[in-house]
Amino acid sequence: NAGVTQTPKFQVLKTGQSMTLQCAQDMNHEYMSWYRQDPGMGLRLIHYSVGAGITDQGEVPNGYNVSRSTTEDFPLRLLSAAPSQTSVYFCASTSPGQANYGYTFGSGTRLTVV
Amino acid sequence: AQSVTQPDIHITVSEGASLELRCNYSYGATPYLFWYVQSPGQGLQLLLKYFSGDTLVQGIKGFEAEFKRSQSSFNLRKPSVHWSDAAEYFCAVGVNNFNKFYFGSGTKLNVKP
Repeated sequence: NAGVTQTPKFQVLKTGQSMTLQCAQDMNHEYMSWYRQDPGMGLRLIHYSVGAGITDQGEVPNGYNVSRSTTEDFPLRLLSAAPSQTSVYFCASTSPGQANYGYTFGSGTRLTVV
Repeated sequence: AQSVTQPDIHITVSEGASLELRCNYSYGATPYLFWYVQSPGQGLQLLLKYFSGDTLVQGIKGFEAEFKRSQSSFNLRKPSVHWSDAAEYFCAVGVNNFNKFYFGSGTKLNVKP
């Protein structure tokens, strides 16, 4: 099993550009989440989903959109990138029956906005 | 509102010494608590978890944690640290039937030879 796959691993954007961070999992997990990690701030929840067609906002949703058309995929969209969105982004997944084992994390996408 | 506090940003211990990383949480209901470890450039790996029952839980790599409800704490411990334990450690609380995880700000562990 590949687990949680995030692409790309690294990305540099110019201010105002748009892009989509991809996240895919092959474990049939219903729950998926996006976090951003910034120095000294831990991981902060951006958006999360409890199943296909269902998404909700986390702590820091502004500037990001998500959709969940399939169980496997949970892309994160930046519509107009800003330097404040420079961060490392992690996607994670679990299922209700396995949630007590915690989330499985991808290896991250390091995004720089210049 | 729920929150997780890790008061120590950096900790340095000598190899072979004991380790305790502190975690305090704020949550109205029964907490589901986790410790994760992150090696440089990597994702997060689950070390251990607490849901109910025995308040001392064992995890991987020789780590353990003790849940103390009266102190709202879930401190991570290891009797003898190895150089390979150098990493960043995150405490987290799961809420809303695990829809959401809230993380502390992390503690970076350095291990001196």
